Amino acid sequence: EPEVTQTPSHQVTQMGQEVILRCVPISNHLYFYWYRQILGQKVEFLVSFYNNEISEKSEIFDDQFSVERPDGSNFTLKIRSTKLEDSAMYFCASSPNSPSGQPQHFGDGTRLSIL
Amino acid sequence: SQQGEEDPQALSIQEGENATMNCSYKTSINNLQWYRQNSGRGLVHLILIRSNEREKHSGRLRVTLDTSKKSSSLLITASRAADTASYFCATETGYGNKLVFGAGTILRVKS
Repeated sequence: EPEVTQTPSHQVTQMGQEVILRCVPISNHLYFYWYRQILGQKVEFLVSFYNNEISEKSEIFDDQFSVERPDGSNFTLKIRSTKLEDSAMYFCASSPNSPSGQPQHFGDGTRLSIL
Repeated sequence: SQQGEEDPQALSIQEGENATMNCSYKTSINNLQWYRQNSGRGLVHLILIRSNEREKHSGRLRVTLDTSKKSSSLLITASRAADTASYFCATETGYGNKLVFGAGTILRVKS
């Protein structure tokens, strides 16, 4: 069964550094998402992306964050100047067509540790 | 406001028993979904129930939705040790496509 793949599985970065998290969504999917899960807390929506633009973003997704689909397969999340509180699991997800009423398929996540 | 709050927070049962998890939410929804997360892994979609549906089955899973009470339940029948995981409800609302997750129920099935 097709899967969403995320790399790296674990990223350790110094505070203030830029980090790029990478995702390869399922190939025929059109909607892409990023969520994060701080240890012991809920999974939180960050951003959704469709047709090469952001369709919705949360309050968490401030100017430090950006997303990009640089080619036909990758979907990236960039954090420009990382803070300690950015430490979390970051999950990428994708869904096939109409976003409403479709299950989202999640990758196994990238554990981001900010030192 | 919090959306998608599950209870109990943790549930420990014997293999073969049924497990029931509940979810409450606050706003109108398009649909409600249940996901499972094994330790250190991503979320796996289990079942989706639309706002105009009251009950849905998938294998050993049964989901109910009561929009008047803004609540849902997930029943896992004849549980197995492999069902040990965290279970999350997630709501989809309005015109957006984001999912709002609850805090989850940690299920432990003892063999």
